[in-house]
Amino acid sequence: QKEVEQDPGPLSVPEGAIVSLNCTYSNSAFQYFMWYRQYSRKGPELLMYTYSSGNKEDGRFTAQVDKSSKYISLFIRDSQPSDSATYLCAMMRDSNYQLIWGAGTKLIIKP
Amino acid sequence: DSGVTQTPKHLITATGQRVTLRCSPRSGDLSVYWYQQSLDQGLQFLIHYYNGEERAKGNILERFSAQQFPDLHSELNLSSLELGDSALYFCASSVVWGAGDEQFFGPGTRLTVL
Repeated sequence: QKEVEQDPGPLSVPEGAIVSLNCTYSNSAFQYFMWYRQYSRKGPELLMYTYSSGNKEDGRFTAQVDKSSKYISLFIRDSQPSDSATYLCAMMRDSNYQLIWGAGTKLIIKP
Repeated sequence: DSGVTQTPKHLITATGQRVTLRCSPRSGDLSVYWYQQSLDQGLQFLIHYYNGEERAKGNILERFSAQQFPDLHSELNLSSLELGDSALYFCASSVVWGAGDEQFFGPGTRLTVL
């Protein structure tokens, strides 16, 4: 079993929809949670970064962490075709600063 | 543009050969990380260097090695290449090395082993 599970998709939604992307994990030692966005043929770029549980909002993006359920989410409001990309979750322990990655979810926003 | 540069962009070689991938971190960044991304394995952490010293090893094969030079650029050496080594190889850099330190990724080197 992988430490971080993420549905690879693809997830296809119409423009303007609210998108929900999720990851589950098995290691309760994870404390730092990140969402990266990767466009085709490009390197990943950091979107959101959260420490421990709770919500964080940045513009149209909201990250949620539920440590009791070992579940993290990324919500995208008013989705745009430019949001079409692969979204990767990643997490890290306090004692070991190595990122553990999900497989990435391919998101397609249809105009 | 993240400020991390990688060369070459594409590399096509044959099985059994050896290649070197190069990475220049962002100005001022002391940490360099190498990742492999393939279709079936996703993004896999290979190795991390901080200010010239190896700090962590991930799923790096013994046929692979890396180093970080005094000017902080890094090279990833892949030898005795196999078909399964075909993948995107990313380098990332960060200011130091810690939980709150954002990693900035380069554009990657696409390696094809024939």
